[in-house]
Amino acid sequence: GQNIDQPTEMTATEGAIVQINCTYQTSGFNGLFWYQQHAGEAPTFLSYNVLDGLEEKGRFSSFLSRSKGYSYLLLKELQMKDSASYLCAVRDSNYQLIWGAGTKLIIKP
Amino acid sequence: IAGITQAPTSQILAAGRRMTLRCTQDMRHNAMYWYRQDLGLGLRLIHYSNTAGTTGKGEVPDGYSVSRANTDDFPLTLASAVPSQTSVYFCASSLLAGNTGELFFGEGSRLTVL
Repeated sequence: GQNIDQPTEMTATEGAIVQINCTYQTSGFNGLFWYQQHAGEAPTFLSYNVLDGLEEKGRFSSFLSRSKGYSYLLLKELQMKDSASYLCAVRDSNYQLIWGAGTKLIIKP
Repeated sequence: IAGITQAPTSQILAAGRRMTLRCTQDMRHNAMYWYRQDLGLGLRLIHYSNTAGTTGKGEVPDGYSVSRANTDDFPLTLASAVPSQTSVYFCASSLLAGNTGELFFGEGSRLTVL
């Protein structure tokens, strides 16, 4: 079966750096997405990786290793507004999106 | 503001009743999707539409139906609601089919079936 694994919850301190990991086993691979979802709100797109390596976008970076079936989302200079759930999704060989259950990130002052 | 509008935002429904969740987008996106989100699970695709006039089944289609009469509207109908359909429902769209590019989500419809 297809599977996406992410930690259920993480806690970090304002101003610090946090890395949220995502491992996947899917039928083929055609890209990996990260979405942010604040409590009670809609998911919003953060990043997309299809090739190995690091994609940087401001305070957020996303890394992919296809050979290891692994990605991480790196958040720097954490702010209280970064408290949210972070969803990892993989597009498989049929171009279907497989979603992880999300990682709830709690930021403490 | 361009985007996706869902209605209602919240609804409590008696089991056995029929319910339609509405979804409208004004971005002229070709593809639209309905997901349900349950605690501890990833988003699960119910139905999708790659273009107006076509629909397809997702991972959990049973008990749900959709239609896509035009580009903008993609309603989701529960013919006879059951308690296991209690969930938060998200409508989403993308410019192209095949989950190409990012998805844009509506604000969600929280449905409780008693």
